Amino acid sequence: NAGVTQTPKFQVLKTGQSMTLQCAQDMNHEYMSWYRQDPGMGLRLIHYSVGAGITDQGEVPNGYNVSRSTTEDFPLRLLSAAPSQTSVYFCASSKTSGGGPKANEQFFGPGTRLTVL
Amino acid sequence: GNSVTQMEGPVTLSEEAFLTINCTYTATGYPSLFWYVQYPGEGLQLLLKATKADDKGSNKGFEATYRKETTSFHLEKGSVQVSDSAVYFCALSSGSARQLTFGSGTQLTVLP
Repeated sequence: NAGVTQTPKFQVLKTGQSMTLQCAQDMNHEYMSWYRQDPGMGLRLIHYSVGAGITDQGEVPNGYNVSRSTTEDFPLRLLSAAPSQTSVYFCASSKTSGGGPKANEQFFGPGTRLTVL
Repeated sequence: GNSVTQMEGPVTLSEEAFLTINCTYTATGYPSLFWYVQYPGEGLQLLLKATKADDKGSNKGFEATYRKETTSFHLEKGSVQVSDSAVYFCALSSGSARQLTFGSGTQLTVLP
């Protein structure tokens, strides 16, 4: 298994540009989420999904869109990039059914470092 | 709402020293508690967890005990190694929600 993969690793945008951060997992996990990591603030939840076709907002959703058309993929779209969106973005997934010791353990991707000029 | 407070970093220790990183939380209901570790340039990895009061999570020599009376989940290790240098995050999830609430992270550097 590749686990959780994210592309690109690095990206530089100009203010106002749009782009999509890709996230995929091959573990058949129902739950997927996006976090942003900023210095001194830990990770903050942007959006999450409990299954294909279902998404919801987290703590800091403004300026971001998501969709979940398949179990495997959960892309994050920046509609009009702003310097305040300069951050490191992490995607995570977890299995939410079936119980067992791994239930609800979140697996993280390697992150995308985004700079908005 | 939920919140997690971690001790301020950075923390610098010599190899084989004792480590404590304090973590306290505020949550509704009965949260599950986690410690995640982030090595340089990588994503977060689950280090250990505890799902109910008085549970002790342990992994790779690290331990943390879920203390409901003090709402704490302090991370400890008896003898740190250079390879333990990383950022450590305390986190919780509560109720039926899967979302994690994170502390701000503590940078640990272990010197040889």
